[in-house]
Amino acid sequence: DARVTQTPRHKVTEMGQEVTMRCQPILGHNTVFWYRQTMMQGLELLAYFRNRAPLDDSGMPKDRFSAEMPDATLATLKIQPSEPRDSAVYFCASLRDRSYNEQFFGPGTRLTVL
Amino acid sequence: AQSVTQLDSQVPVFEEAPVELRCNYSSSVSVYLFWYVQYPNQGLQLLLKYLSGSTLVKGINGFEAEFNKSQTSFHLRKPSVHISDTAEYFCAVTISGGYQKVTFGIGTKLQVIP
Repeated sequence: DARVTQTPRHKVTEMGQEVTMRCQPILGHNTVFWYRQTMMQGLELLAYFRNRAPLDDSGMPKDRFSAEMPDATLATLKIQPSEPRDSAVYFCASLRDRSYNEQFFGPGTRLTVL
Repeated sequence: AQSVTQLDSQVPVFEEAPVELRCNYSSSVSVYLFWYVQYPNQGLQLLLKYLSGSTLVKGINGFEAEFNKSQTSFHLRKPSVHISDTAEYFCAVTISGGYQKVTFGIGTKLQVIP
């Protein structure tokens, strides 16, 4: 049963610390998305990659957030330095070409910044 | 650019009663439409999708949706809900053909009352 995996599932950290979240897309999926979900803003698209190349990161605060895809099996989202307003659930999703843009979501990383 | 509007943020309904969750979209070109469900503390998973052809689409867990091009709607229905249907439901739209990012609605919380 192919699934998107995310680590860690939960992260509690203090303001100013670096946070790295990881995502393993489904094997063969070549497009990866990062979303943030909060009660106030709902589901927001932060960035996405196709064939490991960044396509759009306009939803991401540039000064503290960075997203990379070092290889086809790993996507990372880093926050440095973290702030309390970054507290949210971060989801990764992936899809493959010719799939009518059907995305498969991971279980999310719940981040709490104190 | 495409957009999607979910008209109800919360819908309470008694167990075994029917339910309809409303979704309207906006796009100047052909679209694909999706409904995703998010159970507590989980990622989003696909309920059903409309790509083309028959306007009545059946999905998992007894849900169905009807694509209405003239009213630009894609409402989700279930004739008899169960407690386990308590979740948040997201309508989503993408431009058909080729690779396009997906735009999600703000979500509708379905609360099934025993």
